[in-house]
Amino acid sequence: KQEVTQIPAALSVPEGENLVLNCSFTDSAIYNLQWFRQDPGKGLTSLLLIQSSQREQTSGRLNASLDKSSGRSTLYIAASQPGDSATYLCAPTSHSGAGSYQLTFGKGTKLSVIP
Amino acid sequence: DTGVSQNPRHKITKRGQNVTFRCDPISEHNRLYWYRQTLGQGPEFLTYFQNEAQLEKSRLLSDRFSAERPKGSFSTLEIQRTEQGDSAMYLCASSFARGSNQPQHFGDGTRLSIL
Repeated sequence: KQEVTQIPAALSVPEGENLVLNCSFTDSAIYNLQWFRQDPGKGLTSLLLIQSSQREQTSGRLNASLDKSSGRSTLYIAASQPGDSATYLCAPTSHSGAGSYQLTFGKGTKLSVIP
Repeated sequence: DTGVSQNPRHKITKRGQNVTFRCDPISEHNRLYWYRQTLGQGPEFLTYFQNEAQLEKSRLLSDRFSAERPKGSFSTLEIQRTEQGDSAMYLCASSFARGSNQPQHFGDGTRLSIL
């Protein structure tokens, strides 16, 4: 059974800092890994999807890396802004025997960017 | 692309009542997923549809839960005889059914509170 751990659970940084969020997973037989952000009381917004054959994926100030064999992914946020404050969730995708591509989520990292 | 739509956004009900939630996926998305998220946790997989066929159900989905996707379009999730432990955010996600690297797009969820 896939288990996902995200460290740290919470992070507070001053505006403008670069930061790294960490994600580890136990089963390396994944198809891809998605990073999401979740604002309080809201659903999930997909940020990046990194395929199992890729090592990095970039979108704007965000860069995700994936080391499938060691079961690790990182999300790098450059020049953080107060609007980046949210909970960030990582979710590797595994294929179940019944045909679904299931996401397994960690508990997330709650990020606060202080103006 | 209007995104995944879920209704209602909030539902407050007394223990023992039945509730039904609706999810309208992004048009042309064949795959539809339901997840449940409790406070401080990441979402957990409940069930999966490909078109109108419900192909997988999690052990979290007790006999009191039923989901449908008639005609492969919108989906409903019904909870009968609600219990305190059913209080959670219920999230719906959809994706294309082309290969394994299609991102799942989430709605804003339905927050259920059991009195």
